[in-house]
Amino acid sequence: DAKTTQPNSMESNEEEPVHLPCNHSTISGTDYIHWYRQLPSQGPEYVIHGLTSNVNNRMASLAIAEDRKSSTLILHRATLRDAAVYYCILKGLGGATNKLIFGTGTLLAVQP
Amino acid sequence: EAQVTQNPRYLITVTGKKLTVTCSQNMNHEYMSWYRQDPGLGLRQIYYSMNVEVTDKGDVPEGYKVSRKEKRNFPLILESPSPNQTSLYFCASSPTRGSLGNTEAFFGQGTRLTVV
Repeated sequence: DAKTTQPNSMESNEEEPVHLPCNHSTISGTDYIHWYRQLPSQGPEYVIHGLTSNVNNRMASLAIAEDRKSSTLILHRATLRDAAVYYCILKGLGGATNKLIFGTGTLLAVQP
Repeated sequence: EAQVTQNPRYLITVTGKKLTVTCSQNMNHEYMSWYRQDPGLGLRQIYYSMNVEVTDKGDVPEGYKVSRKEKRNFPLILESPSPNQTSLYFCASSPTRGSLGNTEAFFGQGTRLTVV
């Protein structure tokens, strides 16, 4: 499985946009880029995913580089509730396990 | 509300006493799996199930059993728990429409197990 690299931690101020980067230089053509987050004392929560084009949903936006070797999760206006560990995960077509391989993620702190 | 429900949320037990952690989903998902989360090791898959009566080992299956008799339920069984199974456990479910890469997973709230 292709590996992702994320900063260990980031800080943001409330109501400001947050850009969380992820590098995945060994991504294959059929790998989807997924983002999950884990709030303290909770299970991982799906945020967004995409293949090639940028994606938007009610939680966030996903910007994917043209060469797909990196992506950025964008939270448009951070709230205190967005403080969590954010995981960038590649998920391919194959592999019967359908498992998600969680790395160490980025711990996002949001200051009031 | 679409959800994955695990029970119990917290459990303290003694070595060797059989226990079952239940997991139920109300989204008619075919795929279900169990993960454990340990400090410094992240989340690791224990077992998974592609559909009713179809289960297989994940990365760390030793000491665990599962069953999938109904689509909505996927219990995790520890026949003889040991202290190294003290961990935070998560159940997850996903639809299997089209490509597996193109589906999102829904996780339960977790079960914190302590084996003494």
